[in-house]
Amino acid sequence: TQLLEQSPQFLSIQEGENLTVYCNSSSVFSSLQWYRQEPGEGPVLLVTVVTGGEVKKLKRLTFQFGDARKDSSLHITAAQTGDTGLYLCAGRISGTYKYIFGTGTRLKVLA
Amino acid sequence: DTGVSQDPRHKITKRGQNVTFRCDPISEHNRLYWYRQTLGQGPEFLTYFQNEAQLEKSRLLSDRFSAERPKGSFSTLEIQRTEQGDSAMYLCASSLGAYSSYEQYFGPGTRLTVT
Repeated sequence: TQLLEQSPQFLSIQEGENLTVYCNSSSVFSSLQWYRQEPGEGPVLLVTVVTGGEVKKLKRLTFQFGDARKDSSLHITAAQTGDTGLYLCAGRISGTYKYIFGTGTRLKVLA
Repeated sequence: DTGVSQDPRHKITKRGQNVTFRCDPISEHNRLYWYRQTLGQGPEFLTYFQNEAQLEKSRLLSDRFSAERPKGSFSTLEIQRTEQGDSAMYLCASSLGAYSSYEQYFGPGTRLTVT
């Protein structure tokens, strides 16, 4: 069974703090995506990483794909209340078009 | 580009009834996915279409579930004889089958409540 484990599951921080969310698996993925989801809505794509060791930056968000393409991290610098939401990682299983999702990290940024 | 749309957004039904959901993908996208998401969990893969062909189906998709994409455009997901355990958010996503990252774009979901 292929699993993607995210940690932490819950995170509550003050505005201005930094944080890192981790996504880990024993499986190798062709690509990995990060999403943010608001209550009652579908996930919104933030970024896709494809190459092992790849680092992508999106304003205050930095995404990294592990060298072995089994894990990824999302780092947020100077968190803002607007960053509050459920963060999901999803890996595409090599040789298929099937994605598996992580369990999610629920982030709350307090003013 | 209006994005992925789903209809209805909410559905309340009684146990034992049949329900059907519709998904309209982004117009040039040839791949379409259905997922189910329960509270506090990430989405679980149900099935996947490339054009009109259903290429993969999860073991989660019991005989009561069926999905179609007759002309390679919109798709429907039908649940027969609904059970309380079917209550969840049903999400549709589409992607362009280009040799790139196969990024998925999600619709807003259909929230099903079985009473």
